[in-house]
Amino acid sequence: GQNIDQPTEMTATEGAIVQINCTYQTSGFNGLFWYQQHAGEAPTFLSYNVLDGLEEKGRFSSFLSRSKGYSYLLLKELQMKDSASYLCALLPGGYQKVTFGIGTKLQVIP
Amino acid sequence: DARVTQTPRHKVTEMGQEVTMRCQPILGHNTVFWYRQTMMQGLELLAYFRNRAPLDDSGMPKDRFSAEMPDATLATLKIQPSEPRDSAVYFCASGLVQRGGLDTGELFFGEGSRLTVL
Repeated sequence: GQNIDQPTEMTATEGAIVQINCTYQTSGFNGLFWYQQHAGEAPTFLSYNVLDGLEEKGRFSSFLSRSKGYSYLLLKELQMKDSASYLCALLPGGYQKVTFGIGTKLQVIP
Repeated sequence: DARVTQTPRHKVTEMGQEVTMRCQPILGHNTVFWYRQTMMQGLELLAYFRNRAPLDDSGMPKDRFSAEMPDATLATLKIQPSEPRDSAVYFCASGLVQRGGLDTGELFFGEGSRLTVL
């Protein structure tokens, strides 16, 4: 099976940078995702890492280290609209059922 | 604008009643997931279909839940009988698994069905 750990809550200031960490254990690995979910809405895709390293997409970057079972999502130039939950999700080997962590609720304050 | 469509958006029912939730995946997607989300458990995977075939429903209470995909445009999740602990938001998501077994990386979620069982 898989186990995914991420902090449940974080607070950061508008304009700052925040890093949301995710650690995981899995018996097979095909990729790691990050999704954003605003309160009362569906999750939306942010990033997908298959290989080690940093993937940058605008203000958001995602890093993966497969040997360490570790990923982080980096959000720069925080905006109030970035207040949301950020979900780390695993795509394991085999039948590729995507499983999610419980999510990190980020609050951006002025 | 392709999107996953779920019905109903909201459902309030009494304990013991049957509940059926429906999902229309994005045309051309070959993979469909059903998730349940609560504050305490986050997103829990209930069932997973590939090319309409059920691949994994180990996360689903078998005695009361059932998931089917009668055709490529419809996935259903049924609860019979419903219980108060089933109150949650149920999400359907679809995606495309390419040749070679590697997913494109993105799941598209419907807006969810918010179920309240009294």
